[in-house]
Amino acid sequence: QQQVKQSPQSLIVQKGGISIINCAYENTAFDYFPWYQQFPGKGPALLIAIRPDVSEKKEGRFTISFNKSAKQFSLHIMDSQPGDSATYFCAASRGQTGANNLFFGTGTRLTVIP
Amino acid sequence: DSGVTQTPKHLITATGQRVTLRCSPRSGDLSVYWYQQSLDQGLQFLIQYYNGEERAKGNILERFSAQQFPDLHSELNLSSLELGDSALYFCASTSTLTGGGYTFGSGTRLTVV
Repeated sequence: QQQVKQSPQSLIVQKGGISIINCAYENTAFDYFPWYQQFPGKGPALLIAIRPDVSEKKEGRFTISFNKSAKQFSLHIMDSQPGDSATYFCAASRGQTGANNLFFGTGTRLTVIP
Repeated sequence: DSGVTQTPKHLITATGQRVTLRCSPRSGDLSVYWYQQSLDQGLQFLIQYYNGEERAKGNILERFSAQQFPDLHSELNLSSLELGDSALYFCASTSTLTGGGYTFGSGTRLTVV
């Protein structure tokens, strides 16, 4: 069973446009929601993360929006650039007690067209 | 360089064989996680070790095993390999038992022929 559902599977955006990737989860015990960026041949790298006590977090051109009641969160990439072309994974974990292994979404392959 | 070192980078082996993948976590990180990444399954959690002890198991096959040594490096052993085991295997580490983000290594690409 996929603990975190991610959409779309692939996304093509023009340079300067906004890229939006959505994720949904079921487990209300999740309390840590990171996004990872992966370039071909590399391991995923932490991009930005949010905890459920805030509804939005912004770092540069990257923003996470979090809707606790809907159990959804999304990544917005403003002014998308060709260098942003990569695969993006959302994830979730229970950070407070016990094992905190991350459950990943299936990934979104973003292509930014110059 | 993320600070998490995985060796080898590439591995080609035949079905039925056994291989060992190695991971050295970032300096000071006590938790090590292993993930399998295949095209159709995304990143699947296999197993977590914290300071030498197994802490959590995910979708790890019985043919697979892992351990973390006193110097905190970890090894993932894959035996009786099948074609379907071909995938990227990632190791990640964190400094804490709970909470926080992972730092991933560059992975080992395993090809079973």
